[in-house]
Formats: sequence, C-alpha cells, structure tokens
Amino acid sequence: AQSVAQPEDQVNVAEGNPLTVKCTYSVSGNPYLFWYVQYPNRGLQFLLKYITGDNLVKGSYGFEAEFNKSQTSFHLKKPSALVSDSALYFCAVRDRSQAGTALIFGKGTTLSVSS
Amino acid sequence: EAQVTQNPRYLITVTGKKLTVTCSQNMNHEYMSWYRQDPGLGLRQIYYSMNVEATDKGDVPEGYKVSRKEKRNFPLILESPSPNQTSLYFCASRMTEYNSPLHFGNGTRLTVT
Repeated sequence: AQSVAQPEDQVNVAEGNPLTVKCTYSVSGNPYLFWYVQYPNRGLQFLLKYITGDNLVKGSYGFEAEFNKSQTSFHLKKPSALVSDSALYFCAVRDRSQAGTALIFGKGTTLSVSS
Repeated sequence: EAQVTQNPRYLITVTGKKLTVTCSQNMNHEYMSWYRQDPGLGLRQIYYSMNVEATDKGDVPEGYKVSRKEKRNFPLILESPSPNQTSLYFCASRMTEYNSPLHFGNGTRLTVT
C-alpha cells in the first residue's frame, strides 16, 4: 500500500532563512512524487515533481526538492523564505508500477514565514 | 485561461436534501477526480474518471455519486447528504499520463446541518 508522511504539522521560519518541509513515502515500486501548495480559499497548485533522473528537482517560485531513495524521502526546500511563501504544503506519491492507483496525499504542513 | 471550475463555492444545506456540485475543465483532460479535504486527514479521493463513461470509486465513495457524460464535466452528487459529509471538496483533472500533475478547482465548502 502507498502512504505519505509529513511529520511536521507546522514549520516556522524567519524571512530570508532557508526552509525545509519534510516528506517521507512508502510504495512497493518506484514512485512519482509531487509537491503542491494551497493558499487560503484556493485549490492546490502544483509546485514540482520527481519522475526519474536528477535527484534534485527545481520547481515554481524558487522551490526545489531532493529525492532520496535510500531514505524514501522527498523534502521540499527553498534557500531564502518569503512571507508570501506562507501556505499549506502537501506532498503526494503514486506508485508508477501500479496503473490506475490514486495519487496519495500527505496530511499537509503549514508553513509560516515571519517578517 | 486553463482552469477547473467548480460551483458553488459555498453551500449550506440540510440533511437529506439532494445536491449537486458541478465541475468543468477546459484543458481537454481525460482524467478527472473528486477529493474531500478534512483537517488532520489531508485529501482523500472520492471518485475518479479515466474518460467519458468510465468512473470508479476512490478511497471514500460512500454517500456520493458521479457521472461523466461529457469529457469536460464531472459533477458530484450527494443524494441524501448527512452531517459527516460537511467538508471542503475539490475537483481535479490531468492528462492521461500518470506522471502528469493534477489541476485543481478552487473548492466547494459544504455544510450539512
């Protein structure tokens, strides 16, 4: 069975500092991994995805994520946080070897960036 | 503009009164899906559709129905809503390829009293 864990309900960082939002996953095969962001009163927006190849994936708004197969992790990072990055972040996984399976979402991590 | 449009954005209803939440996408996507979002539970899939006239249950389908008569539309039907269906609902669509990202609507906040 597929699963995603986001171990932190909330992450607090000061503007200008680096940020990390953690995600670990469990799939029986190889994963497709995604990060989405949700701003208040809006739907989820796609940030980035890992399919194959380079373990460091770059996405929208200066975010990047590092795929680590041995640790089954896909942490979201940004070198310098902005107040406008404050939002709810979701990690999601799909097992690429099982056609038809749903995209499984983590429970979300609230990022709060203070000025 | 490429988008997924849900209506209504907010809905308050009473137990047992049938309702429909509409969803339409203009990106010619084959795949469409409904999720509900609840605090502490993240997003859970209700139903999905791989193409016209092809729908299937997700993780939490009880109490919901869907239909896919046209490629662009994927309505969610609650025939007899109950208070435990009070939630934030999202429609999403994507291309057929499994590594394609989902495009989400802005959500429908449903309250059943």
